[in-house]
Amino acid sequence: DAGITQSPRHKVTETGTPVTLRCHQTENHRYMYWYRQDPGHGLRLIHYSYGVKDTDKGEVSDGYSVSRSKTEDFLLTLESATSSQTSVYFCAISESGAIGGGTDTQYFGPGTRLTVL
Amino acid sequence: AQSVTQLGSHVSVSEGALVLLRCNYSSSVPPYLFWYVQYPNQGLQLLLKYTSAATLVKGINGFEAEFKKSETSFHLTKPSAHMSDAAEYFCAVSGGMRTGGYNKLIFGAGTRLAVHP
Repeated sequence: DAGITQSPRHKVTETGTPVTLRCHQTENHRYMYWYRQDPGHGLRLIHYSYGVKDTDKGEVSDGYSVSRSKTEDFLLTLESATSSQTSVYFCAISESGAIGGGTDTQYFGPGTRLTVL
Repeated sequence: AQSVTQLGSHVSVSEGALVLLRCNYSSSVPPYLFWYVQYPNQGLQLLLKYTSAATLVKGINGFEAEFKKSETSFHLTKPSAHMSDAAEYFCAVSGGMRTGGYNKLIFGAGTRLAVHP
């Protein structure tokens, strides 16, 4: 298994509070991703990073921010959590972002279940 | 733009029966296609991928998928289901290689496979 950990694994918080989720990898992969998983929607990309301090938005980035100060860590922050952000959040990593090469496989962490009351 | 449709959110088969999970894609460029599996309370794991080599792709755990351009399909099959195959399966599409940058994965909504004795 790829060395990816997510913390916390479960969190319950209240509307309006800030929340930070952490993804840590030991593979030294350049690309890191945050997805959310919701029933009927599969996985949707929130943000991704292609290097230290290099990040970009995915398809559902509103209400989320990210930071990557070290290769191994990618943080996802909900500045003011809302009930619509109740979801399971997955971090993923890959060596390359260019699909089709030998290094394009995305490896996923175990997920964080976030409940916003 | 790319999109993925997985027909059937739930599929139930008997142990030993054929498994067929359907995936149709839409892509304006030659696609790269993936199947991922998610076991309960775990992250996603790559089963197999099509990247324009052989149209019949073999993956782990006895699964295979066939790319059919004329039908825009990439259905996942396994000749004989095992109880351990019970999981959720996601089809994903990406738009092909780029130099640098990132090719995002678009996931289908998922198909939950149940295997009964």
